Amino acid sequence: AQKITQTQPGMFVQEKEAVTLDCTYDTSDQSYGLFWYKQPSSGEMIFLIYQGSYDEQNATEGRYSLNFQKARKSANLVISASQLGDSAMYFCAMRDPRYSSASKIIFGSGTRLSIRP
Amino acid sequence: DSGVTQTPKHLITATGQRVTLRCSPRSGDLSVYWYQQSLDQGLQFLIQYYNGEERAKGNILERFSAQQFPDLHSELNLSSLELGDSALYFCASSGDNSSPLHFGNGTRLTVT
Repeated sequence: AQKITQTQPGMFVQEKEAVTLDCTYDTSDQSYGLFWYKQPSSGEMIFLIYQGSYDEQNATEGRYSLNFQKARKSANLVISASQLGDSAMYFCAMRDPRYSSASKIIFGSGTRLSIRP
Repeated sequence: DSGVTQTPKHLITATGQRVTLRCSPRSGDLSVYWYQQSLDQGLQFLIQYYNGEERAKGNILERFSAQQFPDLHSELNLSSLELGDSALYFCASSGDNSSPLHFGNGTRLTVT
């Protein structure tokens, strides 16, 4: 069965430092997609970045990059030059299988990131 | 603005009652997903619809049901409500299968 694991319940990082949020996944399918979402204290879910299992390059979106290691089944989110506004809950998610209209998208338990000024 | 509209924003009701949560997906998105987020918890997948048909099911209770209508809006019905059903319920929509989910702002349900 597919599973997403985020092992860091909470992290504290100094402003302007880079931070890596861990995510490992388990699936028997070869084709899948991985996502990261941010949930600030206001509650909305904000899409950050996407990586397809067949994408050869790691995805990047501004200060966000995804360190995708397929053999290790990990998809860590890297935030460069962290800002106070990055303080939020971060969720890793997986769509599996990828090319089907009947695809579950499951979420990890989340990591609460707090940025210190 | 994600383009996904959920109503109502807040709902307070008593145990044993029934409520209906409504979701309008982004224009052009055929898939609608429902998730439950209890306090300080992750998102639990409930159910997915694609173009009016149920396509994937998570740990959705038998007291809960959903449907997607021909105009693609969706409703989640929660009946015989219990205190433990208090949560934030999200609807999300998606286009093709490499597209991310776009979330509505959620309906916060409080059962007293």
